[in-house]
Amino acid sequence: QVQLVQSGAEVKKPGASVKVSCKASGYTFTGYYMHWVRQAPGQGLEWMGWINPNSGGTNYAQKFQGRVTMTRDTSISTAYMELSRLRSDDTAVYYCARPVDSYYDYVWGSYRYGAPGYWGQGTLVTVSS
Amino acid sequence: DIQMTQSPSSLSASVGDRVTITCQASQDISNYLNWYQQKPGKAPKLLIYDASNLETGVPSRFSGSGSGTDFTFTISSLQPEDIATYYCQQYDNLPSYTFGQGTKLEIK
Repeated sequence: QVQLVQSGAEVKKPGASVKVSCKASGYTFTGYYMHWVRQAPGQGLEWMGWINPNSGGTNYAQKFQGRVTMTRDTSISTAYMELSRLRSDDTAVYYCARPVDSYYDYVWGSYRYGAPGYWGQGTLVTVSS
Repeated sequence: DIQMTQSPSSLSASVGDRVTITCQASQDISNYLNWYQQKPGKAPKLLIYDASNLETGVPSRFSGSGSGTDFTFTISSLQPEDIATYYCQQYDNLPSYTFGQGTKLEIK
């Protein structure tokens, strides 16, 4: 079965960087994008971007461009999300998420990316001086 | 960027009630719209993909409809275990994603 296991909680000072890992198992790691989504305390969900583990290609949300770097190590089926120049409002739970299978929608006549359907347990990152 | 407006932000209903949540996109997004359920302290769970398709294993009391800019998520008969926050999520061809603000559902 698909499993995504994330690294443990982190406490960082403002201006520092944090790197969160997401170890995948139960499927072919290079066959699916890996998304990263975060959630500040008491707030909604915020999509940060994805990495294509096969090619290493990425797509970052505009808000995070220049501060986020998503990488992967295919030898250990692990994706990473590094966020730099941390601020207090980066305090959040960070999730990795794998899409469900993509498919061709014959009704709409278009290829559809699978929605993020398998999620890690989340990693709390606290930014505090 | 496409903005998603989800309403209401909170909702109180009784067990057995029909519950409806709406999501409006700032421009036509076809049916590129997913719905998630999130319980406190847990990761989100995919319920509906591409506006109206029920994810495998999700109870049939959940449904979605709509296309273009206006979308609806419905629970036909509210159960106690449905207490959660619900989010819509739109995506494009890159794909890039945007979540709605969420609807917190409580039992009356």
